Amino acid sequence: ETGVTQSPTHLIKTRGQQVTLRCSSQSGHNTVSWYQQALGQGPQFIFQYYREEENGRGNFPPRFSGLQFPNYSSELNVNALELDDSALYLCASSSNPGGRETQYFGPGTRLLVL
Amino acid sequence: DQQVKQNSPSLSVQEGRISILNCDYTNSMFDYFLWYKKYPAEGPTFLISISSIKDKNEDGRFTVFLNKSAKHLSLHIVPSQPGDSAVYFCAASNDNNNDMRFGAGTRLTVKP
Repeated sequence: ETGVTQSPTHLIKTRGQQVTLRCSSQSGHNTVSWYQQALGQGPQFIFQYYREEENGRGNFPPRFSGLQFPNYSSELNVNALELDDSALYLCASSSNPGGRETQYFGPGTRLLVL
Repeated sequence: DQQVKQNSPSLSVQEGRISILNCDYTNSMFDYFLWYKKYPAEGPTFLISISSIKDKNEDGRFTVFLNKSAKHLSLHIVPSQPGDSAVYFCAASNDNNNDMRFGAGTRLTVKP
């Protein structure tokens, strides 16, 4: 059984560019949540995908979008990058949308926007 | 709006002693609370949780206490071990949405 993996581990982009981050769920998990963790802060909920549909969204603008694929892996896309988008992006998978205790986090992708 | 607050950025304790990490929340709609532990270069891992219908939950060396009237929860680790050194996040949610709110974290250092 493999854990949650994320790619890439680190990324540098410039303001205005677009970025795609990827997440592979733990085997058997159909729900993926994405979080943004700014330096010195806790993770902040971006959105959740359940069986390929968005299932809840936090207070993030529409330029943050996502996809979930039939194999339940997921992508986070951010358009028109801003300096404040620099953060650690975490994805977490679970076996159901309400599975808070059984939510397994990946190691994150650290994004730096210059 | 920071609905979950951990006011102590860091805590240092001696091995074998008790570690007490605190967390306050403002949203009375929260009905489920969790503690996560995070090591460097790893994602947070679930540690222990408590439902709002309880005031205490215990799992081995870890105990979480919930005071709903004060909107306060705490994590007690007894006895503390050097391997407990990590950043601890408290998180809160309610059954009606998937938006789990995290505190900023407390870095615990347990000295041998």
